[in-house]
Amino acid sequence: KQEVTQIPAALSVPEGENLVLNCSFTDSAIYNLQWFRQDPGKGLTSLLLIQSSQREQTSGRLNASLDKSSGRSTLYIAASQPGDSATYLCAVNGNQFYFGTGTSLTVIP
Amino acid sequence: KAGVTQTPRYLIKTRGQQVTLSCSPISGHRSVSWYQQTPGQGLQFLFEYFSETQRNKGNFPGRFSGRQFSNSRSEMNVSTLELGDSALYLCASSFGSEAFFGQGTRLTVV
Repeated sequence: KQEVTQIPAALSVPEGENLVLNCSFTDSAIYNLQWFRQDPGKGLTSLLLIQSSQREQTSGRLNASLDKSSGRSTLYIAASQPGDSATYLCAVNGNQFYFGTGTSLTVIP
Repeated sequence: KAGVTQTPRYLIKTRGQQVTLSCSPISGHRSVSWYQQTPGQGLQFLFEYFSETQRNKGNFPGRFSGRQFSNSRSEMNVSTLELGDSALYLCASSFGSEAFFGQGTRLTVV
C-alpha cells in the first residue's frame, strides 16, 4: 500500500524567507503527484500537478519537483508571505489519491 | 466556470441516524471521488465514481455507500452513524489527471 510522508509536520518562518516542503512516497508506480493547500476548515486548493514523466512544475512563487525513482517531491515557496500560512498536502495518484498528513506552515509578519 | 459544490456545508446528526451528502462536480468532469478527513487519520479515500459506475473503493465499512447520476452529480450515504464518523467529507472532481476539491461537508455525530 502506498504510504506518503511529509516533513516537517509544522514550520514557522519569518515573512520573506524561501522555504522547502518535503514529500516522500513508497511506491514509485504513480501517474502524477499533486500539491494542495488547505486553509482551516476549508477544502483543498490545487497548487501544482506534476505528471509522472515530468521533473518539475512552476506557478508564480511556487516550484514543485518530482523524483519518481527516489520517491520524493519538494515544494519550494519563494519569498513567503503571511497569506501563505496554511496546511500544505501532497497527494500521489496511483489508482486513487494517497495523501500525506501535511505540513502546517505559519509565516510571521 | 463553477467549482465543485458540496451540500450541505454543515450537518449535525444523532448516532444511529443516516445521512446523505451531495456533490456537484465541475461541468464536464465525469469522475467524482469522496474522501474523509479526520485529525487522527488525515485524508482517506472512500470511493470513486466515473460515468455512474463505482471505479474504485477504499477500505471503509459497507455503511458508507455512494452513487453517481447521469449528470455526474454524486451522493454519498452513511447509515447507522457512529460518533467516529464525525469528519470533514470532501468531494473531488477530475477530468484527466488533476483533481479539484469542494469546500467539504462538516458532519458532526452526537
